[in-house]
Amino acid sequence: QVQLQESGPGLVKSSETLSLTCAVSDYSISSDYYWGWIRQPPGKGLEWIGSIYHSGSTYYNPSLKSRVTISVDTSKNQFSLKLSSVTAADRSVYYCARGGYRYGFDSWGQGTLVTVSS
Amino acid sequence: QSALTQPRSVSGSPGQSVTISCTGTSSDVGGYNYVSWYQQHPGKAPKLMTYEVSKRPSGVPDRFSGSKSGNTASLTISGLQAEDEADYYCCSYVGSDTFAVVFGGGTKLTVL
Repeated sequence: QVQLQESGPGLVKSSETLSLTCAVSDYSISSDYYWGWIRQPPGKGLEWIGSIYHSGSTYYNPSLKSRVTISVDTSKNQFSLKLSSVTAADRSVYYCARGGYRYGFDSWGQGTLVTVSS
Repeated sequence: QSALTQPRSVSGSPGQSVTISCTGTSSDVGGYNYVSWYQQHPGKAPKLMTYEVSKRPSGVPDRFSGSKSGNTASLTISGLQAEDEADYYCCSYVGSDTFAVVFGGGTKLTVL
């Protein structure tokens, strides 16, 4: 049973860069699947941020594309999210997940709340 | 891309059936058979309930069924149980040779 765990600062200053890492266990990222980031503002709906394949191919939400970078480190079996120039609107629970549009996001991390301070 | 349209809330009594709709366009829901549904309990991560419109992952009860007609996808939950009370989100591929997906706004299911 694959497990995913997000980690990173829970507080980021406005205009700075949010950085999160998702550690994957009991499954090798290099084997298959896409790996993605999804966020959810408190009390609101889900928003796909972007996804990456183990080869490094990336796909981003057009509305966030200019500020997002997703990378993968197969040696550490983890992938990462960077979101630049954050504002209060970026305050959300950030989830990492396995999968994508075809087979759905079938495994999720527990989520981590990131707050933006002014 | 715009979020898919879901009713804010639906309700039903134990044992009954409820259907949650998810309306998009011909560029997303109507254009591809890549619709998935997620169940989310308060404070928890979403859980995949169906994918490719009507397929169920292992372990998901067959009380949960997905379907699609035109630009509207639906999730039907039969034999409602108290533990089905949760938020439900649909998700669709938006095509254009990208990996992009869009979620619905979410529906709160209340079991009366």
